[in-house]
Amino acid sequence: RKEVEQDPGPFNVPEGATVAFNCTYSNSASQSFFWYRQDCRKEPKLLMSVYSSGNEDGRFTAQLNRASQYISLLIRDSKLSDSATYLCVVNKGTYKYIFGTGTRLKVLA
Amino acid sequence: GAVVSQHPSRVICKSGTSVKIECRSLDFQATTMFWYRQFPKQSLMLMATSNEGSKATYEQGVEKDKFLINHASLTLSTLTVTSAHPEDSSFYICSALWVAEYNEQFFGPGTRLTVL
Repeated sequence: RKEVEQDPGPFNVPEGATVAFNCTYSNSASQSFFWYRQDCRKEPKLLMSVYSSGNEDGRFTAQLNRASQYISLLIRDSKLSDSATYLCVVNKGTYKYIFGTGTRLKVLA
Repeated sequence: GAVVSQHPSRVICKSGTSVKIECRSLDFQATTMFWYRQFPKQSLMLMATSNEGSKATYEQGVEKDKFLINHASLTLSTLTVTSAHPEDSSFYICSALWVAEYNEQFFGPGTRLTVL
């Protein structure tokens, strides 16, 4: 079993739709969690750090469920510009970061 | 967010030459930086963790004599691909760790290496 697992997608959704991604992790001692987006042939950009209580930034909401060992990312009112690969990253501690393989999102006009 | 630069953005070289890539944290000090490689349509692969003032920690399967890492200051880490071969052609990305409440990584824009 991979340490961090994501559904690779692609998720094809129409503009304006709400879409949610989950990411599961295997190490219960994991300390911090992040969502990055990566556009084709570009570097990952930090989208959100995931706080224990969950957090929201505009159309994006991240949640952490430690009991079930998953984090989620919800995107509301999808825009064409949201099309990208979304990477889930888990910090196991001592600066050891594990990346998921990413979930591809395509927002269709 | 914090800014990380990487230079060069693109390099084409002949087989057997060495290529040096620089990674700089522009507005914060980074004791720890990471070097990744990404092949087309694949996920990021961590190559090594670079620590200022000490030796880098390489991931299993990454040759330390081929991929030389130097982290001489709190804002600069370099990766030198020695005696490059066509199979080393890839997208190399660095990140710098911003040590704060969440210890976030910020990525440089990447270097696309093509070895002929």
